Amino acid sequence: AQTVTQSQPEMSVQEAETVTLSCTYDTSESDYYLFWYKQPPSRQMILVIRQEAYKQQNATENRFSVNFQKAAKSFSLKISDSQLGDAAMYFCAYRSAVEYGNKLVFGAGTILRVKS
Amino acid sequence: EAGVAQSPRYKIIEKRQSVAFWCNPISGHATLYWYQQILGQGPKLLIQFQNNGVVDDSQLPKDRFSAERLKGVDSTLKIQPAKLEDSAVYLCASSLIGGAGGELFFGEGSRLTVL
Repeated sequence: AQTVTQSQPEMSVQEAETVTLSCTYDTSESDYYLFWYKQPPSRQMILVIRQEAYKQQNATENRFSVNFQKAAKSFSLKISDSQLGDAAMYFCAYRSAVEYGNKLVFGAGTILRVKS
Repeated sequence: EAGVAQSPRYKIIEKRQSVAFWCNPISGHATLYWYQQILGQGPKLLIQFQNNGVVDDSQLPKDRFSAERLKGVDSTLKIQPAKLEDSAVYLCASSLIGGAGGELFFGEGSRLTVL
């Protein structure tokens, strides 16, 4: 079974600075997707960024970018020019492209605090 | 576009009582998911529906949990009887397609406290 590990329970960043959230995963598959989801306090979870494993190029979405290291099974999220609205719980998630049902497997999450 | 609707937002019950949560997915979304999010942990899939058929319920404690999606739209998740360890946020999500690349859209969740 696939597992996702987020080793940083909590991170802090100063407004306008850059922060990197770590994620590692374990799988024997070669075809899969990786995601970062953001969950603000008492609000619904939203997709931040998605990476297809077959793509070597790292995904970017405005201030959000990933560092995808397939051999190392690492998938970190970089947030540039941090804003107060970035404060939330961030979940890294794995989804098989071959397993029936394509279940989304989440890590335990990292709380990001943004200081003004 | 309306998002995924869930109710109730909060529920407090005694152990051994029953509770039901309701979810209305985004219109046109064929795939519906129920996740359990225990405090300090990431969400765990309980059950996945494709239209009104079950795709994956391998992690659903079937002795006490049940879920249905009778007309392929709304879904209900029931717990009977509840245990203390069922205290969690129950998240409903939907997606347009069930494939691996499809984005999941989540509701705000239903927070259950079992005393």
